[in-house]
Formats: sequence, structure tokens, C-alpha cells
Amino acid sequence: SQQGEEDPQALSIQEGENATMNCSYKTSINNLQWYRQNSGRGLVHLILIRSNEREKHSGRLRVTLDTSKKSSSLLITASRAADTASYFCATVQTGANNLFFGTGTRLTVIP
Amino acid sequence: EPEVTQTPSHQVTQMGQEVILRCVPISNHLYFYWYRQILGQKVEFLVSFYNNEISEKSEIFDDQFSVERPDGSNFTLKIRSTKLEDSAMYFCASSEARGRGEKLFFGSGTQLSVL
Repeated sequence: SQQGEEDPQALSIQEGENATMNCSYKTSINNLQWYRQNSGRGLVHLILIRSNEREKHSGRLRVTLDTSKKSSSLLITASRAADTASYFCATVQTGANNLFFGTGTRLTVIP
Repeated sequence: EPEVTQTPSHQVTQMGQEVILRCVPISNHLYFYWYRQILGQKVEFLVSFYNNEISEKSEIFDDQFSVERPDGSNFTLKIRSTKLEDSAMYFCASSEARGRGEKLFFGSGTQLSVL
């Protein structure tokens, strides 16, 4: 299966702390994307990193990609209560066109 | 900011009934998708659609499912004879180009409950 696996499944931190979520996948990819989902709502695209990139930043988000280990991490710095949500990685397999989502990490930021 | 809209937000139906879930993708997007998420589980790909035909579909998308773009704005998912296990949140998404290298814009979903 192409679908990724996030680690941890759930993460609880204090406001102001950094949150790190990891994603592993099984096959070669074209790109990897991170999405956020508030409870019961749709997914919102956060950041995309291509297979030839190793690190990318967007505001308080930092994503790394290690294609040799088939893994990625999402770091949220200086977390806020409003960051509470589920975070999913999604991959586009090399030669394919569709996104396949991982199992998600449920992040809770305690005010 | 343009957005994908889905109706209804909630749909309750009896097992064996047909349901149609509706979506209005972002107007200049060319690629359309349906995903579903069973409560507490992962988001699963169902089907992608481009140029008035299915591009790819998953094993979940069997003969009970169909998609249609009846006019220039709507994109629908039909389930002919619903089963209990079809209960899930169904998300429509669209993109300017194929998923390869392009992000998807998701609607807020339709919660389907099959009784």
C-alpha cells in the first residue's frame, strides 16, 4: 500500500512548545504533502515538498523529507491552542496522479 | 478565497436507498476527486475525474458508485444501493492540475449515515 503512516497517533503539548509529527511511506514518491483537518471538517493543504527537496518552511511550519528513509517530518514551532487538529501526510507515488493519505496524528495544544 | 462546496452537509438514508452527494468544485479547476473517511479512520481515495471521465478509481469504488459532471459546475457522487458500511464522511476535492505536484482543495464534506 502507498498510504503513509503517521507517528505518533496522538500528541498532547503545552501552548508555546514545538510539535513534531512523522510520516513514513513505502514506495518512491513524486511529492509529499501535509494537510490539516479540524474536527469534522475538510482537509486544508499546509505544505508540499517535492522528492528532490529536503526541507521546506512556511511560517511556523517546517517540513523535512528523507527519501532514502522514506520518511518526512512536520514541525510546528511555538504551538497555539488553535493548532489543535489532526495532521495528515499524503503522498503522490512516482508515475501516479492521486494523493494517498496516511493515518493522521491528532495534535492537542493545551492553553 | 474560492472554495469547494458540498451539499448536503448531512444525509441520513435507509439501507438499500440511492443517495446523491453534490459538489461544486472551484470554477477554474480541471480535476475532481472523491474521498471518504469512516469515523476515526484514515482518508481513503475513491475516484478521480478529468475531462468528463474517470481517471482512476480505488477498489472501494465498485459498481454501486458512479460519478457525473452533469453541467459545467456540479460534480456528483451516486451510491445506488447504500449499505451500512457506506456510512462515512465523503469529501469532494478539486485541483487545477493532477495531484502530481498540485495541492487539493477540499470541501467540508457530507456526513452520510446509512440506517
